[in-house]
Amino acid sequence: EAGVTQFPSHSVIEKGQTVTLRCDPISGHDNLYWYRRVMGKEIKFLLHFVKESKQDESGMPNNRFLAERTGGTYSTLKVQPAELEDSGVYFCASSHPTGWGVQETQYFGPGTRLLVL
Amino acid sequence: GEDVEQSLFLSVREGDSSVINCTYTDSSSTYLYWYKQEPGAGLQLLTYIFSNMDMKQDQRLTVLLNKKDKHLSLRIADTQTGDSAIYFCAESMNHDYKLSFGAGTTVTVRA
Repeated sequence: EAGVTQFPSHSVIEKGQTVTLRCDPISGHDNLYWYRRVMGKEIKFLLHFVKESKQDESGMPNNRFLAERTGGTYSTLKVQPAELEDSGVYFCASSHPTGWGVQETQYFGPGTRLLVL
Repeated sequence: GEDVEQSLFLSVREGDSSVINCTYTDSSSTYLYWYKQEPGAGLQLLTYIFSNMDMKQDQRLTVLLNKKDKHLSLRIADTQTGDSAIYFCAESMNHDYKLSFGAGTTVTVRA
């Protein structure tokens, strides 16, 4: 079974540019999450999709961030315009719905390392 | 203050035991997790413990939970060079709820 994949693995952009990150969850996982780790600090939750619906977007920092999951499969996270403080590692995770036991736990992708100059 | 706190660095000799500590503030936390991140890789779930448990053992890993003090620890027995990584403590109300992480403990195993 393929794991969670993320693209690109690294991105270097200039302040003011736009970047779109993509996450492909494990097949069959309804839950999809975005997290971010900035400057070696704690990993912070951004938002949670259940299929194509946003279940919880309380962690989104501001309206420069837009997440979508059309069709309930892969998700994109767009940052427009990017600022210096957006630099960090963006992780995606996915999981089965409640009721699947241990498979309910969140499986993480390798992350996208974003550097805004 | 932060919801989950852990020390930032730990250096351990190969073959010794490692103990990584974590404290959390949310008393409604139901699940507590330990994730491992190796260089260039994603987060790998090592183990988790349900809040009504005091201890969980899985091969070389032992998790201890003191719910009264909101303290969680991960003990790695017979630490190997492959255990060098960043270890994240996390808590959640449920498996499919958002995770709250600590800043991670960088474990360095020296020969």
